[in-house]
Amino acid sequence: AQSVAQPEDQVNVAEGNPLTVKCTYSVSGNPYLFWYVQYPNRGLQFLLKYITGDNLVKGSYGFEAEFNKSQTSFHLKKPSALVSDSALYFCAVRDGRYGGATNKLIFGTGTLLAVQP
Amino acid sequence: DAGITQSPRYKITETGRQVTLMCHQTWSHSYMFWYRQDLGHGLRLIYYSAAADITDKGEVPDGYVVSRSKTENFPLTLESATRSQTSVYFCASSESMASYTDTQYFGPGTRLTVL
Repeated sequence: AQSVAQPEDQVNVAEGNPLTVKCTYSVSGNPYLFWYVQYPNRGLQFLLKYITGDNLVKGSYGFEAEFNKSQTSFHLKKPSALVSDSALYFCAVRDGRYGGATNKLIFGTGTLLAVQP
Repeated sequence: DAGITQSPRYKITETGRQVTLMCHQTWSHSYMFWYRQDLGHGLRLIYYSAAADITDKGEVPDGYVVSRSKTENFPLTLESATRSQTSVYFCASSESMASYTDTQYFGPGTRLTVL
Protein backbone atom coordinates (compact mmCIF):
# COMPACT_ATOMS: atom_id res chain seq x y z
CA ALA A 1 0.00 0.00 0.00
CA GLN A 2 1.17 3.50 -0.69
CA SER A 3 2.21 5.66 2.23
CA VAL A 4 3.96 8.89 3.10
CA ALA A 5 6.01 9.66 6.19
CA GLN A 6 7.00 13.04 7.53
CA PRO A 7 9.31 12.10 10.38
CA GLU A 8 9.41 15.53 12.05
CA ASP A 9 6.33 17.03 13.67
CA GLN A 10 8.10 20.38 13.88
CA VAL A 11 11.12 22.03 12.33
CA ASN A 12 12.63 25.16 13.84
CA VAL A 13 14.93 27.39 11.83
CA ALA A 14 16.26 30.92 12.15
CA GLU A 15 15.34 33.47 9.52
CA GLY A 16 17.91 33.58 6.74
CA ASN A 17 19.08 30.01 7.33
CA PRO A 18 18.36 27.19 4.90
CA LEU A 19 15.45 24.93 5.73
CA THR A 20 14.62 21.31 4.97
CA VAL A 21 11.33 19.54 5.60
CA LYS A 22 11.65 15.79 5.18
CA CYS A 23 9.36 13.38 3.37
CA THR A 24 9.74 9.72 2.52
CA TYR A 25 7.31 7.60 0.56
CA SER A 26 6.42 4.03 -0.23
CA VAL A 27 4.67 3.05 -3.46
CA SER A 28 4.64 0.04 -5.76
CA GLY A 29 4.86 1.89 -9.04
CA ASN A 30 6.23 5.23 -10.10
CA PRO A 31 5.67 7.92 -7.48
CA TYR A 32 3.97 11.20 -8.19
CA LEU A 33 4.85 13.53 -5.35
CA PHE A 34 3.39 16.80 -4.14
CA TRP A 35 4.04 19.42 -1.48
CA TYR A 36 1.29 21.60 -0.03
CA VAL A 37 1.45 24.40 2.54
CA GLN A 38 -1.27 25.36 5.01
CA TYR A 39 -1.25 28.75 6.68
CA PRO A 40 -3.28 29.22 9.88
CA ASN A 41 -7.03 29.01 9.30
CA ARG A 42 -6.54 28.52 5.57
CA GLY A 43 -6.86 25.67 3.12
CA LEU A 44 -3.95 23.83 1.59
CA GLN A 45 -2.04 25.61 -1.15
CA PHE A 46 -0.13 23.73 -3.83
CA LEU A 47 3.64 24.37 -3.76
CA LEU A 48 5.21 21.98 -6.25
CA LYS A 49 5.09 18.49 -7.68
CA TYR A 50 7.40 15.85 -9.12
CA ILE A 51 6.11 13.83 -12.04
CA THR A 52 9.17 12.87 -14.04
CA GLY A 53 12.44 14.32 -15.33
CA ASP A 54 14.75 16.57 -13.36
CA ASN A 55 15.09 15.43 -9.75
CA LEU A 56 15.15 19.02 -8.51
CA VAL A 57 11.73 20.62 -8.75
CA LYS A 58 11.20 24.33 -8.26
CA GLY A 59 7.95 25.67 -6.92
CA SER A 60 6.20 28.68 -5.46
CA TYR A 61 7.66 31.15 -2.94
CA GLY A 62 11.25 30.08 -3.58
CA PHE A 63 10.74 26.49 -2.45
CA GLU A 64 12.25 23.51 -4.18
CA ALA A 65 12.22 19.78 -3.59
CA GLU A 66 14.66 17.04 -4.44
CA PHE A 67 13.43 13.66 -5.58
CA ASN A 68 15.72 10.81 -4.57
CA LYS A 69 14.56 7.47 -5.89
CA SER A 70 17.15 5.34 -4.09
CA GLN A 71 16.26 6.86 -0.73
CA THR A 72 12.54 7.13 -1.60
CA SER A 73 12.59 10.71 -0.41
CA PHE A 74 11.20 14.02 -1.56
CA HIS A 75 12.54 16.64 0.85
CA LEU A 76 11.35 20.23 0.64
CA LYS A 77 14.03 22.91 0.76
CA LYS A 78 14.55 26.62 0.71
CA PRO A 79 17.94 28.38 0.70
CA SER A 80 16.92 31.21 3.02
CA ALA A 81 13.93 30.96 5.35
CA LEU A 82 11.51 33.80 6.00
CA VAL A 83 9.32 34.32 9.05
CA SER A 84 6.37 34.29 6.66
CA ASP A 85 7.25 30.70 5.69
CA SER A 86 6.02 29.55 9.10
CA ALA A 87 3.17 27.17 8.33
CA LEU A 88 2.16 23.52 8.21
CA TYR A 89 3.64 21.58 5.31
CA PHE A 90 2.19 18.40 3.83
CA CYS A 91 3.81 15.90 1.53
CA ALA A 92 1.53 13.72 -0.62
CA VAL A 93 2.00 10.83 -3.03
CA ARG A 94 0.05 9.13 -5.75
CA ASP A 95 1.02 5.62 -6.89
CA GLY A 96 1.48 5.32 -10.64
CA ARG A 97 0.94 1.58 -10.54
CA TYR A 98 -2.79 1.93 -10.12
CA GLY A 99 -5.35 3.33 -12.45
CA GLY A 100 -5.32 7.08 -12.41
CA ALA A 101 -9.07 7.41 -12.55
CA THR A 102 -9.32 7.59 -8.80
CA ASN A 103 -6.86 10.48 -8.68
CA LYS A 104 -6.36 9.84 -4.98
CA LEU A 105 -3.56 11.41 -3.01
CA ILE A 106 -2.14 10.00 0.21
CA PHE A 107 -1.03 12.71 2.62
CA GLY A 108 1.58 12.69 5.32
CA THR A 109 0.72 13.89 8.81
CA GLY A 110 2.28 17.29 8.26
CA THR A 111 5.32 19.17 9.58
CA LEU A 112 5.02 22.47 11.34
CA LEU A 113 7.73 24.87 10.22
CA ALA A 114 8.57 27.62 12.68
CA VAL A 115 10.92 30.34 11.47
CA GLN A 116 12.32 32.54 14.23
CA PRO A 117 13.24 36.16 13.51
CA ASP B 1 -12.24 34.33 -9.60
CA ALA B 2 -13.79 32.67 -6.55
CA GLY B 3 -12.17 29.28 -7.11
CA ILE B 4 -13.40 26.86 -4.49
CA THR B 5 -15.48 27.97 -1.52
CA GLN B 6 -16.87 26.23 1.53
CA SER B 7 -19.69 27.14 3.86
CA PRO B 8 -20.08 27.53 6.69
CA ARG B 9 -16.53 28.23 7.80
CA TYR B 10 -17.37 27.36 11.40
CA LYS B 11 -20.16 25.18 12.75
CA ILE B 12 -21.09 23.98 16.22
CA THR B 13 -23.72 21.29 16.50
CA GLU B 14 -24.94 18.66 18.90
CA THR B 15 -24.65 14.90 18.83
CA GLY B 16 -27.36 13.32 16.71
CA ARG B 17 -28.11 16.34 14.56
CA GLN B 18 -27.83 16.37 10.81
CA VAL B 19 -25.27 18.75 9.37
CA THR B 20 -24.51 19.62 5.76
CA LEU B 21 -21.26 21.20 4.66
CA MET B 22 -21.29 22.95 1.32
CA CYS B 23 -18.61 23.07 -1.34
CA HIS B 24 -18.74 25.08 -4.55
CA GLN B 25 -16.14 25.43 -7.31
CA THR B 26 -16.15 27.79 -10.26
CA TRP B 27 -13.56 26.03 -12.44
CA SER B 28 -15.85 23.28 -13.83
CA HIS B 29 -13.41 20.70 -12.53
CA SER B 30 -14.51 17.12 -13.01
CA TYR B 31 -13.18 15.73 -9.75
CA MET B 32 -14.16 16.84 -6.28
CA PHE B 33 -13.06 15.50 -2.91
CA TRP B 34 -13.87 15.72 0.76
CA TYR B 35 -11.11 15.33 3.37
CA ARG B 36 -11.02 15.60 7.11
CA GLN B 37 -7.96 16.89 8.93
CA ASP B 38 -7.17 15.61 12.40
CA LEU B 39 -4.07 15.98 14.51
CA GLY B 40 -1.75 13.05 13.97
CA HIS B 41 -3.60 11.83 10.91
CA GLY B 42 -2.97 14.50 8.34
CA LEU B 43 -5.70 14.56 5.70
CA ARG B 44 -7.91 11.55 5.13
CA LEU B 45 -10.20 11.14 2.17
CA ILE B 46 -13.90 10.75 3.01
CA TYR B 47 -15.56 10.68 -0.42
CA TYR B 48 -14.76 11.75 -3.92
CA SER B 49 -16.66 12.34 -7.13
CA ALA B 50 -15.46 11.92 -10.69
CA ALA B 51 -18.38 13.82 -12.25
CA ALA B 52 -21.98 14.77 -11.58
CA ASP B 53 -23.91 11.80 -10.18
CA ILE B 54 -20.73 9.72 -9.77
CA THR B 55 -19.40 9.36 -6.24
CA ASP B 56 -17.26 6.83 -4.42
CA LYS B 57 -15.96 6.12 -0.94
CA GLY B 58 -12.56 7.12 0.30
CA GLU B 59 -10.65 6.01 3.36
CA VAL B 60 -13.12 7.08 6.09
CA PRO B 61 -16.67 7.25 4.67
CA ASP B 62 -18.68 5.90 7.61
CA GLY B 63 -21.24 8.37 8.94
CA TYR B 64 -21.09 10.61 5.88
CA VAL B 65 -23.23 10.99 2.78
CA VAL B 66 -22.46 12.93 -0.39
CA SER B 67 -24.28 13.92 -3.52
CA ARG B 68 -23.35 15.68 -6.71
CA SER B 69 -26.29 16.76 -8.82
CA LYS B 70 -24.33 19.62 -10.40
CA THR B 71 -20.69 19.69 -11.43
CA GLU B 72 -19.92 22.74 -9.32
CA ASN B 73 -21.41 21.58 -6.01
CA PHE B 74 -20.43 18.71 -3.73
CA PRO B 75 -22.20 18.81 -0.36
CA LEU B 76 -21.17 16.57 2.52
CA THR B 77 -23.84 15.51 5.03
CA LEU B 78 -23.35 14.08 8.47
CA GLU B 79 -26.64 12.29 8.97
CA SER B 80 -26.34 11.95 12.75
CA ALA B 81 -23.30 13.81 14.02
CA THR B 82 -21.01 12.20 16.59
CA ARG B 83 -18.24 13.71 18.69
CA SER B 84 -15.67 11.75 16.70
CA GLN B 85 -16.67 13.80 13.66
CA THR B 86 -15.34 16.96 15.26
CA SER B 87 -12.70 17.96 12.74
CA VAL B 88 -11.70 20.40 10.04
CA TYR B 89 -13.22 19.47 6.69
CA PHE B 90 -11.64 20.40 3.38
CA CYS B 91 -13.14 20.23 -0.04
CA ALA B 92 -10.85 19.97 -3.07
CA SER B 93 -11.16 19.74 -6.83
CA SER B 94 -9.02 18.78 -9.79
CA GLU B 95 -9.43 19.29 -13.48
CA SER B 96 -9.48 15.99 -15.25
CA MET B 97 -9.98 12.30 -14.90
CA ALA B 98 -7.41 9.55 -14.93
CA SER B 99 -4.38 11.78 -14.65
CA TYR B 100 -1.65 11.04 -12.17
CA THR B 101 -0.23 14.51 -12.51
CA ASP B 102 -3.28 16.60 -11.77
CA THR B 103 -3.05 18.99 -8.86
CA GLN B 104 -5.83 19.18 -6.33
CA TYR B 105 -6.95 22.64 -5.22
CA PHE B 106 -8.38 23.11 -1.77
CA GLY B 107 -11.08 25.23 -0.23
CA PRO B 108 -10.54 27.21 3.00
CA GLY B 109 -12.06 24.51 5.21
CA THR B 110 -14.95 24.16 7.65
CA ARG B 111 -14.22 23.74 11.32
CA LEU B 112 -16.95 21.52 12.78
CA THR B 113 -17.44 20.96 16.48
CA VAL B 114 -19.88 18.31 17.69
CA LEU B 115 -20.86 18.72 21.34
